[in-house]
Amino acid sequence: EVQVVESGGGLVQPGGSLRLSCAASGLSFTTYWMHWVRQVPEKGLVWVARINSDGSSSGYADSVKGRFTISRDIAQNTLYLQMNSLRDEDTAVYYCTYSSARQYFHYWGQGTLVTVSS
Amino acid sequence: EIVLTQSPGTLSLSPGERATLSCRASQTISSTYLVWYQQKPGQAPRLLIYGASSRATGIPDRFSGSGSGTDFTLTISRLEPEDFALYYCQHYGSSPLYAFGQGTKLDIK
Repeated sequence: EVQVVESGGGLVQPGGSLRLSCAASGLSFTTYWMHWVRQVPEKGLVWVARINSDGSSSGYADSVKGRFTISRDIAQNTLYLQMNSLRDEDTAVYYCTYSSARQYFHYWGQGTLVTVSS
Repeated sequence: EIVLTQSPGTLSLSPGERATLSCRASQTISSTYLVWYQQKPGQAPRLLIYGASSRATGIPDRFSGSGSGTDFTLTISRLEPEDFALYYCQHYGSSPLYAFGQGTKLDIK
């Protein structure tokens, strides 16, 4: 059974940093691209970042480029999102998910809430 | 930049009725990369349809997807109580890499 479990969310002040983690099990971690997608409560979904299967390539939404860094630890089957220079508008539930060649998100974790507020 | 516009914003129907949800792209997109998700309150999104018309594993056959070019449709042939939820379309392309529609809320009439 596939499981992806996010952690690391919480309350942080504007300008602060936070690192999210996503532990994946039940899937061949090195087969898939991994992603973070966020959702402002009661609002829509926004893709944030992705990393390819071996961690050699990444991509970001314009809104987070230069502030967020996605990485993966293949040995630990874990995905990370380092978030720096956080802004109020980064407040959201952050979901971890994965895609294959057809570029759809197979399965989503339950998400972790990040609140940026003073 | 590709923008996906879903309509209607809210659809109010009764169990047993047929639901038709629309996703319109601002320019022609590949149906290979058009996807539909369902999201229930307090839950993560769930994959329903990929490649515009292929059902994901475990999705009942009352759900179907169709369309090409700029116009895509998710149809639920006969609504069950558990189908009342939010539905999002999504596309993989060049700009942005992964675009989502704003969602359609399907609620009970």
